[in-house]
Amino acid sequence: EVQLVESGGGLVQPGRSLKLSCAASGFTFSDYNMAWVRQAPKKGLEWVATIIYDGSRTYYRDSVKGRFTISRDNAKSTLYLQMDSLRSEDTATYYCATHGVHYFDYWGQGVMVTVSS
Amino acid sequence: DIVLTQSPVLAVSLGQRATISCRASQSVSISSINLMHWYQQKPGQQPKLLIYRASNLASGIPARFSGSGSGTDFTLTIDPVQADDIAAYYCQQSRESPLTFGSGTKLEIK
Repeated sequence: EVQLVESGGGLVQPGRSLKLSCAASGFTFSDYNMAWVRQAPKKGLEWVATIIYDGSRTYYRDSVKGRFTISRDNAKSTLYLQMDSLRSEDTATYYCATHGVHYFDYWGQGVMVTVSS
Repeated sequence: DIVLTQSPVLAVSLGQRATISCRASQSVSISSINLMHWYQQKPGQQPKLLIYRASNLASGIPARFSGSGSGTDFTLTIDPVQADDIAAYYCQQSRESPLTFGSGTKLEIK
């Protein structure tokens, strides 16, 4: 059974940093592209970033480029999202997901990030 | 960015058909491949993939769910609607980056 378990969320002040992790199991992690998708409170879904299966390429939405870094450790079956220079508009539940050719196959339960002073 | 427009709420009776629409600001089809996908999100849960490439049922999804459409207009159909289908439904395009989602349609029971 595919399992994706996010961790590392919490309350952080504007301008500070936070690093999210996503532990994967139940599938061959190194074969899959992975992504982070977020959802602001009571709002819709927003793609944040994707990393290719071997870590060779990464893609970001414009609003997080230069502030967020997606990475992975295939030996540990773990996905990461380093978030720097956080803003109030980054407040959301962050989901990690497997990123099939065009869609998000499996999702974790999500982790909440609140950016507030 | 490609904008996907969905009606906010749809109310249907149990056992009836629900038709949820998604309109894209530009075509999301390449040749015969329709790059539109659908997700279900129940309250307090993560999203779940229902339909990929417009009309393909994801693994483990009941045949009550179906999808159709091409170009800019797509539809998710649930027939018959069951109580367990109360959720928000989101469309998502992968025609171009950034990948975008619709704002979601909340399915309510009349």
